[in-house]
Amino acid sequence: NAGVMQNPRHLVRRRGQEARLRCSPMKGHSHVYWYRQLPEEGLKFMVYLQKENIIDESGMPKERFSAEFPKEGPSILRIQQVVRGDSAAYFCASSATGQEQFFGPGTRLTVL
Amino acid sequence: QKEVEQDPGPLSVPEGAIVSLNCTYSNSAFQYFMWYRQYSRKGPELLMYTYSSGNKEDGRFTAQVDKSSKYISLFIRDSQPSDSATYLCAMRGGGSARQLTFGSGTQLTVLP
Repeated sequence: NAGVMQNPRHLVRRRGQEARLRCSPMKGHSHVYWYRQLPEEGLKFMVYLQKENIIDESGMPKERFSAEFPKEGPSILRIQQVVRGDSAAYFCASSATGQEQFFGPGTRLTVL
Repeated sequence: QKEVEQDPGPLSVPEGAIVSLNCTYSNSAFQYFMWYRQYSRKGPELLMYTYSSGNKEDGRFTAQVDKSSKYISLFIRDSQPSDSATYLCAMRGGGSARQLTFGSGTQLTVLP
């Protein structure tokens, strides 16, 4: 039973480029959450999605960041026009019932 | 003041010792409490999930929640070198609230 999968595991972008991070939840899980872990800081909630719906995006920066979880395929976190301050580890978690959240291995984004 | 406070450590103990990890919080709306273990450059791994006040035991791990004091603990018995990791407390409110609020993590080293 595969866990939460994230790809790529490492992503390097230059300032101004776009970053796309993918998350495939555990089988049977329809709740997806994205968190960001900045250097020397704790995990911070960004967004909560169910299939085709954004449920809570209260932690998303107002500009350049967007997320989706289409009917088919993985959840995508998209960062447009990346800046150095976006360098962080981005974790996806999934849940079957909205209760326990299981995390993926993360994508480490480096902005040059 | 952060919503969740956690001593960052580092904490070093000899193999076989009992480890006590703690978090305090300020938001009385928190009802669900979790402990995650995170190895270096990996995703958080769910160890314990509890609701409201009380104790929960799972193998060598015991989680305690005291809502009246806004204080939660994780005890690790017979600690092993493989327990060396960063331990994160996390919590959320009830109802439709799903976003987790994390402590900053305590770095634990168990010396053989």
